[in-house]
Amino acid sequence: GQNIDQPTEMTATEGAIVQINCTYQTSGFNGLFWYQQHAGEAPTFLSYNVLDGLEEKGRFSSFLSRSKGYSYLLLKELQMKDSASYLCAVKNSNYQLIWGAGTKLIIKP
Amino acid sequence: SAVISQKPSRDICQRGTSLTIQCQVDSQVTMMFWYRQQPGQSLTLIATANQGSEATYESGFVIDKFPISRPNLTFSTLTVSNMSPEDSSIYLCSVEDEAGSSYEQYFGPGTRLTVT
Repeated sequence: GQNIDQPTEMTATEGAIVQINCTYQTSGFNGLFWYQQHAGEAPTFLSYNVLDGLEEKGRFSSFLSRSKGYSYLLLKELQMKDSASYLCAVKNSNYQLIWGAGTKLIIKP
Repeated sequence: SAVISQKPSRDICQRGTSLTIQCQVDSQVTMMFWYRQQPGQSLTLIATANQGSEATYESGFVIDKFPISRPNLTFSTLTVSNMSPEDSSIYLCSVEDEAGSSYEQYFGPGTRLTVT
């Protein structure tokens, strides 16, 4: 089967750095996406990786290793507004988007 | 990125009735997707709707229960038929960004459905 694993919940301190991991097993690979979802709101697109390496976008970076079936989302200089769920999703060989269950990130002052 | 609106934003319905959710996009898109998200859970794809053809349903979802219309490239509807409390969920429509290279999906604000 196809599955994506992420930690259910993480806690971090305002101003710190947090890394959210995602491992995947899918039938083929056509890109990995990270989305942010605040409670009661729709998911919003954060990042896309299709080649190995690090993609940086402001305070957020996303890393991919296709050989390991692994990605992480790195959030720096955490702010209270970063409290949200972070969803990892992989597009497989049929261009279907397979979604992880999401990681709920709690930021403490 | 596309701007997507959904109507209604929320509704409370009685079991056995049906609700039609509308999704409007501000630009023409080929593919539209309908998802369901139960509280605290991830997204579950219900079906993919392409203009001019029948929707493609995922395992566990059938057209009789979730009929979909896609009359043009900017609009789609999802009907939740003969509702039961198990259908209580958030229903989201999304589209792919066909202008970029990554084809990321953008989501509407969702419809929060409660079935009593």
